[in-house]
Amino acid sequence: EVQLKESGPGLVQPSQTLSLTCTVSGFSLTDYSVHWVRQPPGKGLEWMGVMWTGGSTAYNSALKSRLSISRDTSKSQVFLKMNSLQTEDTAIYYCIRAKDYVMDAWGQGASVTVSS
Amino acid sequence: DIVLTQAPLSVSVTPGESASISCRSSKSLLSSKGITSLYWYLQKPGKSPQLLIFRMSNLASGIPDRFSGSGSETDFTLKITKVETEDVGVYYCAQFLEYPPTFGAGTNLELK
Repeated sequence: EVQLKESGPGLVQPSQTLSLTCTVSGFSLTDYSVHWVRQPPGKGLEWMGVMWTGGSTAYNSALKSRLSISRDTSKSQVFLKMNSLQTEDTAIYYCIRAKDYVMDAWGQGASVTVSS
Repeated sequence: DIVLTQAPLSVSVTPGESASISCRSSKSLLSSKGITSLYWYLQKPGKSPQLLIFRMSNLASGIPDRFSGSGSETDFTLKITKVETEDVGVYYCAQFLEYPPTFGAGTNLELK
């Protein structure tokens, strides 16, 4: 069974760094890319970035200066780090499996609140 | 970035009736390989989005054939026939032709 599960702190202080982990099972990170998408409360979906099967990355230019995505294939984990968090970064953060540009499996999402 | 405009933003449907949602792209989503890179997702209340339609008209695994997708290079339609209670939620179109991938604002489907 294909599963993706996001984990991380639910609360982050303004100006601090967010660290999230996406742990996957049922597929290999060398066969499928993993994307990150976020959704502010009551709003739509914003693509953040991707970890490609070969280990390279791509980022949304609006977030590129603050965002880093990495992975540990031996642990089937993909990591997201974003610094200088502000209240507008409050959102549900999803990791998503994709192949041939088809994002076909989403994690349950990790709710992150930026507040002091 | 490619902008996707959905209409309507909200639709109310009687169970058993049909519903259509439109998605218009600011740019052709037809790739040089002949693939139209338009996708439809449904986000049920309190859940993660799920894939309904990929590459404009292909039904995702496990999705009932009450759902169908069609369109041209810039104008797309998701049709739901015989709407059921479980179809309630927000429908998003998305494009993955160019980076960054972008999503429409969403269409909220509710039952009358």
